[in-house]
Amino acid sequence: GAVVSQHPSRVICKSGTSVKIECRSLDFQATTMFWYRQFPKKSLMLMATSNEGSKATYEQGVEKDKFLINHASLTLSTLTVTSAHPEDSSFYICSAKGQSLAETQYFGPGTRLLVL
Amino acid sequence: GQNIDQPTEMTATEGAIVQINCTYQTSGFNGLFWYQQHAGEAPTFLSYNVLDGLEEKGRFSSFLSRSKGYSYLLLKELQMKDSASYLCAVMDSNYQLIWGAGTKLIIKP
Repeated sequence: GAVVSQHPSRVICKSGTSVKIECRSLDFQATTMFWYRQFPKKSLMLMATSNEGSKATYEQGVEKDKFLINHASLTLSTLTVTSAHPEDSSFYICSAKGQSLAETQYFGPGTRLLVL
Repeated sequence: GQNIDQPTEMTATEGAIVQINCTYQTSGFNGLFWYQQHAGEAPTFLSYNVLDGLEEKGRFSSFLSRSKGYSYLLLKELQMKDSASYLCAVMDSNYQLIWGAGTKLIIKP
C-alpha cells in the first residue's frame, strides 16, 4: 500500500513558539493532502485540504493564519502552527491521496503536539 | 445534512465474529471506506466498497448496500490486537470524505 510519513512524531514547545509538521508521500504522488486533528477519544476533525501548487481550503472554524499549510510539491505538505498555545495541544494527522478523485486516503502516523 | 451513524462501542470475545454496522445519508456517493485506528495511532485503511456486495480480505469483510445506505464490517476469528476503533467514511458527490465518529471495539479473552 501507499506510505505516508510524518515528522516529527512528537513535539513539545513553549507557548508562543511556532511548530512545523511535515507530511510526505513516499511512494506515490499526492495531488491532494489533508490535515486532521484529533483530541483524545474524539473523532477525526478535518482542518484543511491542500492541492499541490494551490492555496489550502480550510474548514469552517479553522483559522488559516494560525494553521499555515503549504503544499509545494507532489510529495510534501507542511502544517505550521503559529504562536502555539496550550489549547493547540492535540494529535495532528495528515493523509494523502493520488490523482484520481475517488482514490483512497492514506494516513501518516501522526504528530503529537504538546504546548506548555 | 450529511450523516454517518455507527455504534459508539461494541464488545466481543476472542475467537468470535463481530459485525460493525454503518448507515449513511450523504449528498451523492462515490464509495465507502473502513479504517482501523488503534489508540494513540493514526487510522489505517481496511477496505473500500463502491458497488453492492461483499468484499472479503482475509479475516475482514466489508458489505455495501447502496439502496439502503448501509454497510457493515465483519471481523472473524477475533484476536486481541483487533481491539481498536473502526471508522466508517463515505465519499460524497464532491469526493469529500464524510467521517463517522467511529466504533470502539473491545475484545475480551
